[in-house]
Amino acid sequence: QSALTQPRSVSGSPGQSVTISCTGTSSDVGGYNYVSWYQQHPGKAPKLMIYDVSKRPSGVPDRFSGSKSGNTASLTISGLQAEDEADYYCCSYAAGYTLRVFGAGTKVTVL
Amino acid sequence: QVQLVQSGAEVKKPGASVKVSCKASGYTFTSYYMHWVRQAPGQGLEWMGMINPSGGSTSYAQKFQGRVTMTRDTTTSTVYMDLSSLRSEDTAVYYCAREANYGTGMDVWGQGTTVTVSS
Repeated sequence: QSALTQPRSVSGSPGQSVTISCTGTSSDVGGYNYVSWYQQHPGKAPKLMIYDVSKRPSGVPDRFSGSKSGNTASLTISGLQAEDEADYYCCSYAAGYTLRVFGAGTKVTVL
Repeated sequence: QVQLVQSGAEVKKPGASVKVSCKASGYTFTSYYMHWVRQAPGQGLEWMGMINPSGGSTSYAQKFQGRVTMTRDTTTSTVYMDLSSLRSEDTAVYYCAREANYGTGMDVWGQGTTVTVSS
């Protein structure tokens, strides 16, 4: 099972929007609505930001939104803030032995 | 409050085994799946496997099958991850993380356990 494909980095100015893509296959992203997104600051454990493609856990700002089309899921951060600068990982349920697969991660830089 | 507390850092020699624990508190232990995810230095997240604390059933990533064993102790609300035949590439931070329903995302994470494999 290969890692999901994410851009290595994206950047934006405060207040702007950025979108991170996460491309898989019909055996993972495209086949199930079980895509989640995690934010990780340096030296910290990951934090769940989006689950089931587009649902936000309690406490996550509504600036964070998720969507999916075909084999590609996306995370959009609207109204970018300095504290959003972090690494972001997508994760999908996958058919087969390896039941979860992560993306390689995207570094978001706030200019 | 809900938390997962992991055991301390380990230093192991190549070929040895390591056992990392993850103690849950603040919720019903058997109502949530538990995953193990690792992160090598400067690298991304890698899923290793999961255990259902209710019945003890496990699923392992193909990459780790034969080398990893996940168990649980319901009396202490603790899950364990045992990785054998360690090599330098296993040097990483190992996390446990719970999931409420199958496939719905890992909402609480442990603080991480650093495992260093070095001769």
